[in-house]
Amino acid sequence: AQKVTQAQTEISVVEKEDVTLDCVYETRDTTYYLFWYKQPPSGELVFLIRRNSFDEQNEISGRYSWNFQKSTSSFNFTITASQVVDSAVYFCALRQDSNYQLIWGAGTKLIIKP
Amino acid sequence: DAGVIQSPRHEVTEMGQEVTLRCKPISGHNSLFWYRQTMMRGLELLIYFNNNVPIDDSGMPEDRFSAKMPNASFSTLKIQPSEPRDSAVYFCASSTGLIYTFGSGTRLTVV
Repeated sequence: AQKVTQAQTEISVVEKEDVTLDCVYETRDTTYYLFWYKQPPSGELVFLIRRNSFDEQNEISGRYSWNFQKSTSSFNFTITASQVVDSAVYFCALRQDSNYQLIWGAGTKLIIKP
Repeated sequence: DAGVIQSPRHEVTEMGQEVTLRCKPISGHNSLFWYRQTMMRGLELLIYFNNNVPIDDSGMPEDRFSAKMPNASFSTLKIQPSEPRDSAVYFCASSTGLIYTFGSGTRLTVV
């Protein structure tokens, strides 16, 4: 069965702290894709990153970094030196090779306090 | 590219009325998805199309919901008759299989 678990329902930190959002997935496919999306208070869903199952290199984009570990079926997202504008709901999603549907986690609400 | 375009942005309707949501996908994207988002249930896939053909509509709540994709550049989601529990944000997304782009959503309120 395929599943995405974001165990952290809500995280609250003070600005400039580092924060990690966890994502654990389950799939039987050997080829699959993992995604992170951001949903700010304005409501739109904004693409952040896609990773395929054959690429375990970690990715860094500015203050954002992603740690993909197949051994633990995790694809965690870290924000360094968080800012108030990072406040949003963050979703992790999985696409198996066998179809185009995205399997979504429940999302983590991140609150960055000034 | 203007991205995925949804209309209307907001819709308020009375219970029992027909509601039609519209979506224009990104040109060249061969898949289209309709999602519903509520606080209680989160993000739910209602239906998706590949090359204009419905592939999986198991998420459509009941017969009151229907979706069409008459061509590669247009899709509709219709609710008839609408009920207060249909109140939600409805997202359309189009995809190449690797790129998934969402519209801004339609906030539907049924009173």
